[in-house]
Amino acid sequence: DQQVKQNSPSLSVQEGRISILNCDYTNSMFDYFLWYKKYPAEGPTFLISISSIKDKNEDGRFTVFLNKSAKHLSLHIVPSQPGDSAVYFCAASKGNAGNMLTFGGGTRLMVKP
Amino acid sequence: SQTIHQWPATLVQPVGSPLSLECTVEGTSNPNLYWYRQAAGRGLQLLFYSVGIGQISSEVPQNLSASRPQDRQFILSSKKLLLSDSGFYLCALRGGAGGNNEQFFGPGTRLTVL
Repeated sequence: DQQVKQNSPSLSVQEGRISILNCDYTNSMFDYFLWYKKYPAEGPTFLISISSIKDKNEDGRFTVFLNKSAKHLSLHIVPSQPGDSAVYFCAASKGNAGNMLTFGGGTRLMVKP
Repeated sequence: SQTIHQWPATLVQPVGSPLSLECTVEGTSNPNLYWYRQAAGRGLQLLFYSVGIGQISSEVPQNLSASRPQDRQFILSSKKLLLSDSGFYLCALRGGAGGNNEQFFGPGTRLTVL
């Protein structure tokens, strides 16, 4: 049972335009959501997060939106830059002793110059 | 600042051979530690997590095991590797004592089983 899904395995965007990466989840107990960026042969790096008490969090060019009723979150990158080309993972967690993260399958973003 | 070391960076092993991957962390004490695997073209799968020395929880049944002999050391092992064990293995730690659940990842180990 895949509790966190990223239905688009890849996305191609022109430099300067907006990139929108989507993520859906099924477990209503999730209360904290994160986005990670991963380059090949490297560990993922934390990008931005959002608590379930909010519906938007912004950090520079990156904004995460959360729609709890739809169990959907999205990452917006504006403007997109070639250096943003990477695989993006969304992750979700719920309060428990291990604070484990459940990851989606990832979306490969390609920003074309 | 927190630092995660993983070695080796790459490893090629024959089927049936043993495995030992090491993760050590610096700049933190009593961290939650995690082992993930990313198989080719797939997402991150949590394998094990540990909330303290000697405390290991397994998320998926498999021929891998984990140990935490010291507070800042987390080891992933196997007695006999399978072809399906190939992948990119990532060690992570949970950052901060507060409510945030961010995990910080090490550089990873690329394992190829032939």
